[in-house]
Amino acid sequence: AQKVTQAQTEISVVEKEDVTLDCVYETRDTTYYLFWYKQPPSGELVFLIRRNSFDEQNEISGRYSWNFQKSTSSFNFTITASQVVDSAVYFCALSEEIYNQGGKLIFGQGTELSVKP
Amino acid sequence: DTEVTQTPKHLVMGMTNKKSLKCEQHMGHRAMYWYKQKAKKPPELMFVYSYEKLSINESVPSRFSPECPNSSLLNLHLHALQPEDSALYLCASSQGINVLGYEQYFGPGTRLTVT
Repeated sequence: AQKVTQAQTEISVVEKEDVTLDCVYETRDTTYYLFWYKQPPSGELVFLIRRNSFDEQNEISGRYSWNFQKSTSSFNFTITASQVVDSAVYFCALSEEIYNQGGKLIFGQGTELSVKP
Repeated sequence: DTEVTQTPKHLVMGMTNKKSLKCEQHMGHRAMYWYKQKAKKPPELMFVYSYEKLSINESVPSRFSPECPNSSLLNLHLHALQPEDSALYLCASSQGINVLGYEQYFGPGTRLTVT
């Protein structure tokens, strides 16, 4: 069965520290997609990044970077020089095909990041 | 514009009430979703509409009734709910569901309390 594990339930850092959120996934599919979403206290899930299984290039977007390693089934997310506005719950998700009707998101349990001033 | 709107933001209802949640997107997306999210948990998929037809029902109790009047609108009709149905209800949309890689865009949610 497909599964996403985010072992870190809560992380607390002080502003300007770097922080890495871990994500480990399990799938038997050769084609799959991985996602990261941010959920601030307001409740809305914000799409951050998508990565397909054939593209292992790391990606950087401003202070955010993602490290995808198929060998270890991991898709980790690093925030450099964290800011208070980064405080949120972050979800890693895997897209699973079900009922031959396209993708369903399998979410990890989420990591709650608290950045203190 | 990647906005999905949901109304109302908050809803308190009794167990005998009938109410509806509304969701709207203007991104031309052809798939729309309802999720239920309890505190400290990830979202749980409830329903998926593809091209205005119900595509996936994740064995949701019949007291939840989805409706897709057109490609931009998605409703969730609520009737005879239980206190355990209190949760954040999220709507999402994506370009389609026939490609695994389409990202979903979420609305801000409706926080429902059943008394």
